[in-house]
This record gives sequence, C-alpha cells and structure tokens, in this order.
Amino acid sequence: DAGVIQSPRHEVTEMGQEVTLRCKPISGHNSLFWYRQTMMRGLELLIYFNNNVPIDDSGMPEDRFSAKMPNASFSTLKIQPSEPRDSAVYFCASKLAGVFQNEQFFGPGTRLTVL
Amino acid sequence: KQEVTQIPAALSVPEGENLVLNCSFTDSAIYNLQWFRQDPGKGLTSLLLIQSSQREQTSGRLNASLDKSSGRSTLYIAASQPGDSATYLCAVTSSNTGKLIFGQGTTLQVKP
Repeated sequence: DAGVIQSPRHEVTEMGQEVTLRCKPISGHNSLFWYRQTMMRGLELLIYFNNNVPIDDSGMPEDRFSAKMPNASFSTLKIQPSEPRDSAVYFCASKLAGVFQNEQFFGPGTRLTVL
Repeated sequence: KQEVTQIPAALSVPEGENLVLNCSFTDSAIYNLQWFRQDPGKGLTSLLLIQSSQREQTSGRLNASLDKSSGRSTLYIAASQPGDSATYLCAVTSSNTGKLIFGQGTTLQVKP
C-alpha cells in the first residue's frame, strides 16, 4: 500500500495566485481530512469528508479556501487568491469512515510558500 | 471546547535514558487517543492508538497509557536512542464532533 499520496510536495507561489493541492487517500478508506500546520497554531483541521461528502468545513479559514472530493480516490484543496499568511504545511489524512475508533493515516504534506 | 496540552514542549536526554512525555486533555468525551511522531519536514507517523475503553498500548520500546477520567496520557520510551529524536504529537478524537484535536507537541532530542 502506497499510503496517502499528496502532490505537490513543495509549492512556491506569488500572492494572488491560485494554488491547488491534491490528495489520494489509501484505497478502501472513505473518510478524508485536510489539515494545516503552522508554528503558531500547530495542526488544525480544515475540512473532512465521509464518502466524498463534506461533513464539517468549520475549520476552513476563509472563502478563499475550498475543497472538493469528486470521487473516493481524489481530493483537492484550493486557495484562490493566495496570501502570504497561507504559508504552511498542508496535510491530508484518511481512515475508514463511520468508525471514529479507527486511526488516521497522514500523507507527507505539501509545504506551501506564498511570497 | 476540547483542548490538548503537551508538556514539556522540548526535552533533551542522553542516549539510553527512559523518558516520559505527557499529554492532557480537557474533555473526557473522547473515542480514542493517538500518539504520532513527526520528523523535521516530514508527515505524521502513527505510533499508538488507545481506545477510550483501554488503559494502555505497547509497541516495542513504546508504551502509552490513558486515564480518561483525569484527562491524561503518557508516552513512555524505554532505552532512548538518537533515532528517537523527533516531535511527538498527542491527539484525541472528540466523541462530540468526531474531530482529531492535536496538542502542540514535544520535541525530543536524544544525544549520543
């Protein structure tokens, strides 16, 4: 099993540009999570999906952030327009849906730098 | 609102020492507690998962305990090695929201 796959691993962009982060969950996992990690705030949950449906997006900081899960094997997190304060590491995680007792498995993250 | 706290924020020990990392949480309504390891510039690796009905879990030199009523967990690392140097994160799954809430982590350095 390849684990959770994220791309790109690093992204450097200029303020105002659109950024799209991608995630492929572990096969068979149908619950997917997007997190953001910064030095100041630590790890924060942005949004999570069960069976491709967004369940809780209360962590999404602003309307500039949006996430989609068009099918069970792919999700995107988009920032438009990006701002320097969006610079962070963005993690995707997956687990078996509907069973809170199950552990989450994390991808390697995307390090985003907005200049 | 669930809050997770980890003490100390940083720890430096000589190789071979046994050590304990602490995690506390404010709301005992949890499904489970998970300990992760994060190496610099890397993702999170799950170390141990303790269900709310369990008291402890062991994996190799690692032992994690859970006292849900007091809102505490400890991660015990036996015979520490330089390769154990990393940041250790504690997280609880809230039974109210289903969300995983993280502590700020303890950065461990094991000196040869």
